[in-house]
Amino acid sequence: AQTVTQSQPEMSVQEAETVTLSCTYDTSESDYYLFWYKQPPSRQMILVIRQEAYKQQNATENRFSVNFQKAAKSFSLKISDSQLGDAAMYFCAYRSARGNSGYSTLTFGKGTMLLVSP
Amino acid sequence: KAGVTQTPRYLIKTRGQQVTLSCSPISGHRSVSWYQQTPGQGLQFLFEYFSETQRNKGNFPGRFSGRQFSNSRSEMNVSTLELGDSALYLCASSLGRAGVNYGYTFGSGTRLTVV
Repeated sequence: AQTVTQSQPEMSVQEAETVTLSCTYDTSESDYYLFWYKQPPSRQMILVIRQEAYKQQNATENRFSVNFQKAAKSFSLKISDSQLGDAAMYFCAYRSARGNSGYSTLTFGKGTMLLVSP
Repeated sequence: KAGVTQTPRYLIKTRGQQVTLSCSPISGHRSVSWYQQTPGQGLQFLFEYFSETQRNKGNFPGRFSGRQFSNSRSEMNVSTLELGDSALYLCASSLGRAGVNYGYTFGSGTRLTVV
């Protein structure tokens, strides 16, 4: 079974600074997808960024980028120019790419609470 | 495009009662998944439905059940409620197509409190 580990329960950053959230995972599969989700107090999980394991290039979405190290099974999220609105719980998630039947569930880490100060 | 709609947003039930939660996915999405979120256990997968068929089920007791209708709307039911069932229940919809890195779109959840 796959596991996802987020070793930082809480991180703090000042506005305009850069912060990196860590995520490691364990899998025996070679093809899979990785995601970072953000959950603000409104409770809705919002997709921040996604990465296909077969792609060597790291995904980037505006101020959000990942450092995907497949051999090390590491998938960290970098937030540049942090804003007050970035404050939320961030979850790293894994999904197998083996197709639909029985393998399309998301496995989540425990989350990292990001605090942003002015 | 409307998002994923979950109703109700809040619910308070008594131990032993049963509850039904509803989820309307994004139009065109055929897959609906349910997750339970608690402070202690985090996010745990409950089940997934695709085209009215349950494709996968998490490690939850039989008191937790669900179904999906022909319009892709889904309901989950919890019978004989226990205090430990208090949680945020999140629904996620997706295209559900193989070979596609679809992200899941989540609703805002139903906060269930069992007293």
